[in-house]
Amino acid sequence: DIQMTQSPSSLSGSAGDRVTITCRASQNIDRYLNWYQKKPGEAPKFLIYAASKLQSGVSSRFSGSGSGTEFTLTISSLQPEDFATYYCQQSYSSLTFGGGTKVEIK
Amino acid sequence: QVQLVQSGGEVKRPGASVRVSCKTSGYTFINYGITWVRQAPGQGLEWMGWISSYSGKTNFAQQFQDRVTLTIDASTKIAYMELRSLRSDDTAVYFCARLAYIVVEAAATSAFDIWGQGTRVTVSS
Repeated sequence: DIQMTQSPSSLSGSAGDRVTITCRASQNIDRYLNWYQKKPGEAPKFLIYAASKLQSGVSSRFSGSGSGTEFTLTISSLQPEDFATYYCQQSYSSLTFGGGTKVEIK
Repeated sequence: QVQLVQSGGEVKRPGASVRVSCKTSGYTFINYGITWVRQAPGQGLEWMGWISSYSGKTNFAQQFQDRVTLTIDASTKIAYMELRSLRSDDTAVYFCARLAYIVVEAAATSAFDIWGQGTRVTVSS
């Protein structure tokens, strides 16, 4: 099974900060990597697919990059509504989520 | 608009079974699969399995293969997830989501693009 490891597990930032979350796969997954946002009490929200493609309706301050085994999600300028937990997910072989990265207010 | 509406919360005893439903609307049902994900208290998202709405074919995460049954009723556009032999660590919010197949540069990838609101399942004696 492919394991997905996210780092850091949590980070704190202020409005306007640029933040980057890393996701590493235990083997090559090409660009079969998605990102989701999860807020307490809400359903997850689909943000990015194929490592870097922005889902329709998602703010352009979110961007993704990477291929193979290392991927990043960047939020260019944190907004109050961005404080949440972010999960990567591989769809190369079966489906696996990373452990999540909680973005908190500093 | 596309919607997935799940059944209400459940409280079950250890050893019992639970069935959660996911009523879909607003899209062509057989063109998308349905997947199930859960989140235990204080934990991350855990993928459980998916079912093809076209063929009924299923695929499960290894840890759920023996205890989960996924079914669909194409006539009512409802998907079901049954989890058997419940334990206290099955206490979680269970989500259904639409499994979309997306073609990117001649390759197909899959993602969970629309989600249900979640169903809280509590297992307690």
